[in-house]
Amino acid sequence: DSGVTQTPKHLITATGQRVTLRCSPRSGDLSVYWYQQSLDQGLQFLIQYYNGEERAKGNILERFSAQQFPDLHSELNLSSLELGDSALYFCASSVAVGDYGYTFGSGTRLTVV
Amino acid sequence: ILNVEQSPQSLHVQEGDSTNFTCSFPSSNFYALHWYRWETAKSPEALFVMTLNGDEKKKGRISATLNTKEGYSYLYIKGSQPEDSATYLCAPSGTYKYIFGTGTRLKVLA
Repeated sequence: DSGVTQTPKHLITATGQRVTLRCSPRSGDLSVYWYQQSLDQGLQFLIQYYNGEERAKGNILERFSAQQFPDLHSELNLSSLELGDSALYFCASSVAVGDYGYTFGSGTRLTVV
Repeated sequence: ILNVEQSPQSLHVQEGDSTNFTCSFPSSNFYALHWYRWETAKSPEALFVMTLNGDEKKKGRISATLNTKEGYSYLYIKGSQPEDSATYLCAPSGTYKYIFGTGTRLKVLA
């Protein structure tokens, strides 16, 4: 157990629907990152939060949004889902912004049918 | 466009062989280089964080070197074992923070 908790582990939903993925960072970590891994693709950076504030944005679609709450857990909201959104979504956390290694959660596998 | 390149893309070696692979990245505005190990059906796990030119890190049979001026890092595995089979990812930090290379997929054959 890495200390980063992601729920749910698996999610199957229909096109056009909206889902929420949840991440609880490792105790003491203030920074949360979201990554997407599609089939045969590498890890694509989506967004980063630090202590409740958005700090960096990657290739995140407008249909996707995220937030970090006062208790530091984060949620990634995916709406108007398309088949191409099917992927493994990883959350990672680090103690701060900077040259700190990330601790990854086990991921949420989203399947859009 | 950011280009973090890892080579080779995949590698098959025999148990006991030593091997190495490369991570190349733009060297401008560079802060650190992270290496991760990613086993199938698991999540990536941090191996090293390297910050200084000439820096060398070691963890058991795995070691890494860093050249910040020319923008590359090598990862070495001595005496590969089947349990070393995984994808090895690098991620430079700096202007290109949070970006991962596509990885080198290593398969060690018993």
